[in-house]
Amino acid sequence: DGGITQSPKYLFRKEGQNVTLSCEQNLNHDAMYWYRQDPGQGLRLIYYSQIVNDFQKGDIAEGYSVSREKKESFPLTVTSAQKNPTAFYLCATHPGDRVLDEQFFGPGTRLTVL
Amino acid sequence: SQKIEQNSEALNIQEGKTATLTCNYTNYSPAYLQWYRQDPGRGPVFLLLIRENEKEKRKERLKVTFDTTLKQSLFHITASQPADSATYLCALLRDYKLSFGAGTTVTVRA
Repeated sequence: DGGITQSPKYLFRKEGQNVTLSCEQNLNHDAMYWYRQDPGQGLRLIYYSQIVNDFQKGDIAEGYSVSREKKESFPLTVTSAQKNPTAFYLCATHPGDRVLDEQFFGPGTRLTVL
Repeated sequence: SQKIEQNSEALNIQEGKTATLTCNYTNYSPAYLQWYRQDPGRGPVFLLLIRENEKEKRKERLKVTFDTTLKQSLFHITASQPADSATYLCALLRDYKLSFGAGTTVTVRA
């Protein structure tokens, strides 16, 4: 996990409420990613950002929003428009200068919508 | 559409044996393939990367092969130990983005 903080580890929300998941990194990496993981499925890319003040939609961006105002931070908002928000959310970073470098993952946030 | 498939069933093996995991892909032409380990409730951790022009890569007790003709990568854990019990994910790299398989869960019995 080292260098990437996701908080909180567990999050409970009522249906219809927006919720923001935090991701902070001190690795000085340019690129940051948000993935969603559901049981029996691979990680699916929600949004990614390769540079401050810029981000792109991933494969399942509907119902989510992000911002990248600082290099260290890439918060994800799960809006009420997301139909099945209960999942394990993972934030990852990448140095950005060498495509072959691996991604580094945070510890994840498990979101449960009641 | 692009698809990545890993062993659909969990793998249970005896300590000391070799575990072999499969990653098959379709409608991809990846230049690189990565393998990650994920423990329950935690984020994945990078293990190995293999390029399309590399047939085999090794790291300690781990071995990865990459056959672009068969569109398949094999991941081997030799002399397995209970500490190797985890879920292993393959991922295809394209344009700084990774696409992941669902993973194969390995349990090593003492």
